Amino acid sequence: EVQLMESGGGLVQPGGSLRLSCATSGFTFSMFWMGWVRQSPGKGLEWVANIEKGGREKYYVDSVKGRFTISRDNAKKSLDLQMDSLGVEDTAVYYCVRGFRDSDSSGVTFDHWGQGNLVSVSS
Amino acid sequence: DIQMTQSPSSLSASVGDRVTITCQASQDIGKYLSWYQQSAGRAPKLLIYDASVLETGVPSRFSGSGSGTFFTFTISSLQPEDVATYYCQQYDKINGLTFGGGTKVEIK
Repeated sequence: EVQLMESGGGLVQPGGSLRLSCATSGFTFSMFWMGWVRQSPGKGLEWVANIEKGGREKYYVDSVKGRFTISRDNAKKSLDLQMDSLGVEDTAVYYCVRGFRDSDSSGVTFDHWGQGNLVSVSS
Repeated sequence: DIQMTQSPSSLSASVGDRVTITCQASQDIGKYLSWYQQSAGRAPKLLIYDASVLETGVPSRFSGSGSGTFFTFTISSLQPEDVATYYCQQYDKINGLTFGGGTKVEIK
């Protein structure tokens, strides 16, 4: 059974930093794109970042470029999201997601999701 | 980025009714559209990808169609357990993935 388990969320002041981690099991981690999707309280879904299987290619939504860094450790089967210069607009539940890509010419859709981890940015 | 316009934003229907949700892309995305179901307090669940392919284990009352810029999602016979918010997502390119605004489905 595919399992994704986020950790590291919590309350942080504006301008602060936080690192989310995602531990995985039940699948060959190194064979899949991974990513993060967030959901602000009472709002819709927003893709945050993707990382390619080997960790070389990384993509971000414009609003987090230069502030967030996605990384992965294939040996540990884990995914991280380093979040710096956090603002109140970053308050959200962050989901670790497994990417499914059936064509080299397309993007990824997300076939498995973690339970979500709340990040609250407030003074 | 590609904008996804989903409608309606909410709907109320009776058990057994046929329910249809639409999603319009601001540019051609081919077949690269998914539909997700998010029940209250839960993570989203992938139901359909590549516009019409049912994810393994998803009931056959769910279906999707469309290509290019216009897509539809249908529940052929609404069940009580289908109460949820449904989202479309385009994945035409590896960058700039976007979701629709969501449709909240309730039982009348």
